[in-house]
Amino acid sequence: QTVVTQEPSFSVSPGGTVTLTCGLSSGSVSPSYYPSWYQQTPGQAPRTLIYTTNTRSSGVPDRFSGSILGNKAALTITGAQADDESDYYCLLYMGSGIWVFGGGTKLTVL
Amino acid sequence: EVQLVESGGGLIQPGGSLRLSCAASGFTVSSNFMSWVRQAPGKGLEWVSIIYSGGGTYYVDSVKGRFTISRDNSENTLYLQMNSLRAEDTAVYYCARGVTRSNFFDYWGQGTLVTVSS
Repeated sequence: QTVVTQEPSFSVSPGGTVTLTCGLSSGSVSPSYYPSWYQQTPGQAPRTLIYTTNTRSSGVPDRFSGSILGNKAALTITGAQADDESDYYCLLYMGSGIWVFGGGTKLTVL
Repeated sequence: EVQLVESGGGLIQPGGSLRLSCAASGFTVSSNFMSWVRQAPGKGLEWVSIIYSGGGTYYVDSVKGRFTISRDNSENTLYLQMNSLRAEDTAVYYCARGVTRSNFFDYWGQGTLVTVSS
């Protein structure tokens, strides 16, 4: 079974730039997996950030951007702010009606 | 305004059954694909099931044969029937609206907690 991989944790300084990645245990992530990204703070429902690799959801600040870097999907936060401290999840569509989330990255801003 | 409100969670013994509901407003559940996503305490998100506008349904392997996703178009409500519940099914269950062709989830409910314990 294919596993979607994310860094368990990451740290960034306020105002800094961080790139979180989303890979596959076997193979490369491409736009055909429709990578999307979700932000979640404790006790809250997920919030949609990015879809179809690099399209920002309505109301999402432009400091969030998505891309494909090498063989992975990537979420870049440019000019990180304190309230960006959250868990971030990528989601891939594997085809045949099956979806898989990555394990999530806990981002600390300090 | 799009809203999703889950209900039906609670404490249930192992082997028991529970039906979750997700009442939708601001759109028609039959015109989008809809999913259930769960999150065990302290763990990450896990996709559970999906129902497409055409009626096709799919499940993560761990719930196949035990969970059934359905919808009631007249009530504009999504359901998840959960049978033979196990301790590892303990989680907050979210319903989410999907966007066809773009293949992502744009709206989420606030979740309902299911605790499977004796």
